[in-house]
Amino acid sequence: DAGVIQSPRHEVTEMGQEVTLRCKPISGHNSLFWYRQTMMRGLELLIYFNNNVPIDDSGMPEDRFSAKMPNASFSTLKIQPSEPRDSAVYFCASRRRGERGITDTQYFGPGTRLTVL
Amino acid sequence: AQKVTQAQTEISVVEKEDVTLDCVYETRDTTYYLFWYKQPPSGELVFLIRRNSFDEQNEISGRYSWNFQKSTSSFNFTITASQVVDSAVYFCALSDAYWGANSKLTFGKGITLSVRP
Repeated sequence: DAGVIQSPRHEVTEMGQEVTLRCKPISGHNSLFWYRQTMMRGLELLIYFNNNVPIDDSGMPEDRFSAKMPNASFSTLKIQPSEPRDSAVYFCASRRRGERGITDTQYFGPGTRLTVL
Repeated sequence: AQKVTQAQTEISVVEKEDVTLDCVYETRDTTYYLFWYKQPPSGELVFLIRRNSFDEQNEISGRYSWNFQKSTSSFNFTITASQVVDSAVYFCALSDAYWGANSKLTFGKGITLSVRP
């Protein structure tokens, strides 16, 4: 089975440009998570969705960041306008609904390495 | 509040040595899940193990073993006869709920393991 798919794998852009990161979760998973990883702050949860509905976006750094999940198989994370401090690796993860509602495992995509010049 | 502490930041060993990676957690929940993930130099995050708070039995998978002690709030990871391919950053994580679609993970800062030939 295919794992979580992210695109692009690498993105280099200039400050002020719009950046869109894409994620396809594992088929059958109903929760999707966006994380950011930097050396300074480690892994940070930005936002997550259950059944395509945003549940907690408290980790989104500011209004320049937005995320959508129009259907069960696709999500985007958009940064507009981008700034150099947004440079990081952005991970998407998905999780199925566990049996009897028990927390199941998050599986991560390969990440998108974003560089904002 | 949830907290995961990985006090060791970097460990360097020679191939075939045994190495233990420490993880200490804090939670007010009586039931929860603990996880270990591996991040090799290629950058992806690979799931290694999930352990629920009810089960304190040690787990062994090949050269990997995990020791969960609720009394000391620790979930340590041992690699026996380390190999160069074990070189990676290892993250310990804690779920904030045992049940429910809204559970999230709290990650430690990670331990960088270098295995020298």
